[in-house]
Amino acid sequence: EVQLVQSGAEVKKPGESLKISCKGSGYSFTSYWIAWVRQMPGKGLEWMGIINPGDSDTRYSPSFLGQVSMSADKSISTAYLQWSSLKASDTAMYYCARQAQGVSLDVWGQGTTVTVSS
Amino acid sequence: DIQMTQSPSSLSASVGDRVAITCRASQSISSYLNWYQQKPGKTPKLLIYAASSLQSGVPSRFSGSGSGTDFTLTISSLQPEDFATYYCQQSYSSPYSFGQGTKLEIK
Repeated sequence: EVQLVQSGAEVKKPGESLKISCKGSGYSFTSYWIAWVRQMPGKGLEWMGIINPGDSDTRYSPSFLGQVSMSADKSISTAYLQWSSLKASDTAMYYCARQAQGVSLDVWGQGTTVTVSS
Repeated sequence: DIQMTQSPSSLSASVGDRVAITCRASQSISSYLNWYQQKPGKTPKLLIYAASSLQSGVPSRFSGSGSGTDFTLTISSLQPEDFATYYCQQSYSSPYSFGQGTKLEIK
């Protein structure tokens, strides 16, 4: 079964750092780009960027460039989304998803809830 | 960046109705348009890719059409499980932006 399994919910304070993960299984992890998508509470989907796990090439949305960092470790089929200094406005659900044909997102992780509060 | 605008933002309909949701791009995106369904508290699900191709396992009552700047998701006969929020996404050029969503509610 093709799946993406994300790390668990996080509760952090403003200014703290965080790295969440997305582990792929059931397919060739390096053959598909991984996208990250933000959903703030009660809001819509926002495309953050994508990473090629094969060579770690990344494309960021201008809205998120400099705010987050994407990385991948192909040896363990895992992609990461990282913050160096969290803000309250980073509170959201974060999804990873596999980018497939037509550049669509055909397999999604279950989501990681990030709560940033003092 | 390409802006995606969906209409309506919300829609009330009854089981058995035929409904259409539209998505407009701020510039031509050829057929690089995808549709997703999201139910409350659940992960988004791919319905349609490349404007009109039905994702495997998606019921045939869902269909997509359009090219250029104007696209439509049509549900031919609404079922109870179809009440959800629907998003379009352009995959023509990065950043691959989403529309703001259309919430489909039971009348």
